[in-house]
Amino acid sequence: NAGVTQTPKFQVLKTGQSMTLQCAQDMNHNSMYWYRQDPGMGLRLIYYSASEGTTDKGEVPNGYNVSRLNKREFSLRLESAAPSQTSVYFCASSEFAGGRGDTQYFGPGTRLTVL
Amino acid sequence: QKEVEQNSGPLSVPEGAIASLNCTYSDRGSQSFFWYRQYSGKSPELIMFIYSNGDKEDGRFTAQLNKASQYVSLLIRDSQPSDSATYLCAAYSGGGADGLTFGKGTHLIIQP
Repeated sequence: NAGVTQTPKFQVLKTGQSMTLQCAQDMNHNSMYWYRQDPGMGLRLIYYSASEGTTDKGEVPNGYNVSRLNKREFSLRLESAAPSQTSVYFCASSEFAGGRGDTQYFGPGTRLTVL
Repeated sequence: QKEVEQNSGPLSVPEGAIASLNCTYSDRGSQSFFWYRQYSGKSPELIMFIYSNGDKEDGRFTAQLNKASQYVSLLIRDSQPSDSATYLCAAYSGGGADGLTFGKGTHLIIQP
């Protein structure tokens, strides 16, 4: 099993350009997440999908959109990139059966620079 | 606002000693707690989780939970240079799939 995969690994954009970050998991997990990680800020939740067919905003959703394409895939789109979106983006997945919560498994990350 | 607080460090510990990493959380209703390790330039990976008061041991790692004090800790025995990483504490407060809050992490350095 590959676990959680992300593409691309690195990306440089100019201000105003758009791009889509791809994420896929092969663990048959119900829930998927997009985080950004910035120095001194920790992991911040952008959007999540609790189950196939649903998506919800997290802590920092402005400037992003998401699509849960199917149970395996969850993409993150930047419509008009801004320098403030320079960050490392992590996709994660979990089984999430409610209750006490469960382990989130992270992909390798995408390092995005917006010039 | 639910918060998870960690000392950013760096915490420097000699090889072979016990490393003690601490975490406090603001939401008294938090139900379970996770420790992740993150090497520089890599993604977080789970070390262990705990949801009952007391200690939970897994190899060289021991997680300790004190709900009355809203305090979680991770002890690493016989520290190795390969343990040098940033350790993230996370608390799950319920309410849905977005109920997990991460701390900013503690940078641990094991000195050979």
